[in-house]
Amino acid sequence: DIVMTQSPDSLAVSLGERATINCKSSQSVLYSSSDKNYLAWYQQKPGHPPKLLIYWASTRESGVPDRFSGSGSGTDFTLTISSLQAEDVAVYYCHQFYSSPNTFGQGTKLDIK
Amino acid sequence: QITLKESGPTLVKPTQTLTLTCSFSGFSLSTSGVGVGWIRQPPGEALEWLALIYWDDDKRYNPSLKSRLTITKDTSKNQVVLTVTYMDPSDTATYYCAHRHYQDGYFDYWGQGALVTVSS
Repeated sequence: DIVMTQSPDSLAVSLGERATINCKSSQSVLYSSSDKNYLAWYQQKPGHPPKLLIYWASTRESGVPDRFSGSGSGTDFTLTISSLQAEDVAVYYCHQFYSSPNTFGQGTKLDIK
Repeated sequence: QITLKESGPTLVKPTQTLTLTCSFSGFSLSTSGVGVGWIRQPPGEALEWLALIYWDDDKRYNPSLKSRLTITKDTSKNQVVLTVTYMDPSDTATYYCAHRHYQDGYFDYWGQGALVTVSS
């Protein structure tokens, strides 16, 4: 199984500041024939299901604010929130769908400083 | 628009079998490429992918639980059913169903989840 490791486990950022969450996979999730990274990011607020933010590592889902961006390739990926808003407080998960079984990171809890 | 909703018992006893139903609308499991998956989340813990079924009845299971899982679909009812045998307190979790497309792989629509507690 591909192990997804996120860092940090939690972080606190001031409103309006940048938040950066990292995700590392135990093997590459880049599919060479399509040149796509099979990596997604989700946001989960308490009592709610995960919400898709980013897929193919850097493609923003429709309706997701442009302060959210994804980057990286191969085994190292980053989710960046350029200017933190109060409504961004949540747990964020990365997800690899390159191989079965699909696996998720352990989650990163984001709070306001 | 696409919606999914999980239903089933909220409490099961150890060793019993859990049967969960995902009822959906806005898409059809007879459409080429469409899939529905199950993911669970123990309280305060991370997400765990369980199983997946596609339009062509292709089924995928998490090897760590494969012997205990069965996923089926009823296209006419727009439902997907997950059964989990030999439930244990460690299976206590919120169980989600979610939509995905074969060519994509990410889960773009999720149900609200169903909390299942395993306790005698």
